[in-house]
Amino acid sequence: EAQVTQNPRYLITVTGKKLTVTCSQNMNHEYMSWYRQDPGLGLRQIYYSMNVEVTDKGDVPEGYKVSRKEKRNFPLILESPSPNQTSLYFCASSLLGVSEQPQHFGDGTRLSIL
Amino acid sequence: DQQVKQNSPSLSVQEGRISILNCDYTNSMFDYFLWYKKYPAEGPTFLISISSIKDKNEDGRFTVFLNKSAKHLSLHIVPSQPGDSAVYFCAARMINDYKLSFGAGTTVTVRA
Repeated sequence: EAQVTQNPRYLITVTGKKLTVTCSQNMNHEYMSWYRQDPGLGLRQIYYSMNVEVTDKGDVPEGYKVSRKEKRNFPLILESPSPNQTSLYFCASSLLGVSEQPQHFGDGTRLSIL
Repeated sequence: DQQVKQNSPSLSVQEGRISILNCDYTNSMFDYFLWYKKYPAEGPTFLISISSIKDKNEDGRFTVFLNKSAKHLSLHIVPSQPGDSAVYFCAARMINDYKLSFGAGTTVTVRA
């Protein structure tokens, strides 16, 4: 089954404690992206990757890091989480070079930073 | 500054009637528009899309209309069913750019 898998689904942690949210897709997609969803703001892009070892900032990259060492994986790293990073996070992927190819989303990770 | 706006946070409609969701955008460079549907505890799933070269796209009960001069698009669901109760996000992107800009979402409730 084609899917984007995120882990963990829920996490409550404390300020300053490094955490990583994993994202894996099994569709051989080149493009992967992280979004955060906040009330009244919709989804905003954090970082994206066009292929292995190619990453770039989205609209709200502050406080986040990513890496793309393998095509299928795109982890999101919070080196020193703060309460304003409490949010619902989604990973997405899609093919490149295919017109009108929609992005496929994972089921989300709800982070609470105390 | 949000470039895609959904000004109605919620919509309640009776089963069998039409649901109309609206979306406005400010960036004239957007050339591809999508609607995503989201159930609680799940990720957004693609529903329907439209390219800027068209003004209408239909897929079963779902039709998207695009008015480029007004920078406005709408999603029509006919007839509405209880399973359509969800949050609907409007999204847009520019040509050769894969980044999606999302609206804040509209929560649709279909009453039996």
